[in-house]
Amino acid sequence: DTEVTQTPKHLVMGMTNKKSLKCEQHMGHRAMYWYKQKAKKPPELMFVYSYEKLSINESVPSRFSPECPNSSLLNLHLHALQPEDSALYLCASSHRQGDYEQYFGPGTRLTVT
Amino acid sequence: AQKVTQAQTEISVVEKEDVTLDCVYETRDTTYYLFWYKQPPSGELVFLIRRNSFDEQNEISGRYSWNFQKSTSSFNFTITASQVVDSAVYFCALSEAVDAGNMLTFGGGTRLMVKP
Repeated sequence: DTEVTQTPKHLVMGMTNKKSLKCEQHMGHRAMYWYKQKAKKPPELMFVYSYEKLSINESVPSRFSPECPNSSLLNLHLHALQPEDSALYLCASSHRQGDYEQYFGPGTRLTVT
Repeated sequence: AQKVTQAQTEISVVEKEDVTLDCVYETRDTTYYLFWYKQPPSGELVFLIRRNSFDEQNEISGRYSWNFQKSTSSFNFTITASQVVDSAVYFCALSEAVDAGNMLTFGGGTRLMVKP
């Protein structure tokens, strides 16, 4: 089973809202990732968690707050977003943080109004 | 710094044609990993292949084949007898072994349209 699930599939939020994106995998992977993808562009790495600890933060604004409650779950808390934050948010996981292939979820399409 | 270039932004073919997607990479590492991902309109990136820098053997998986040539820093992807379901954006990506962050550097992607 190489499935990564993400909820919700679509999210529309106002600039004053607080919302969360959720990601789950049951492959026993110990590295999990958040990416942001704008239309017609490749994914851009936002955060990496390794063994439930934040390993990489690619200078992401503080209005994005990641959380890894356990080895299977990854959340992305959103607060006071801007319209330019509208994008497809992809979660991925890999066996370990290193040279392993990453498996991606279907993404959450976020629209900020 | 590592870099991946996919010069073809869009390719359009008719079903059953063969098509090759080009990928050229730059890296200073001697150990690195190359990947291909498929992104259909649904949005999910689907892992297709991983190749390490020490393994230059070409690989075939059904209608898919990959040609890795270190001499030209290329890792090209060929779909034989294309089908409408192959329509997607294809990303080539590179990861350097010394980079403990496993940061995938993606190419810009090639949008493949297969017409019936």
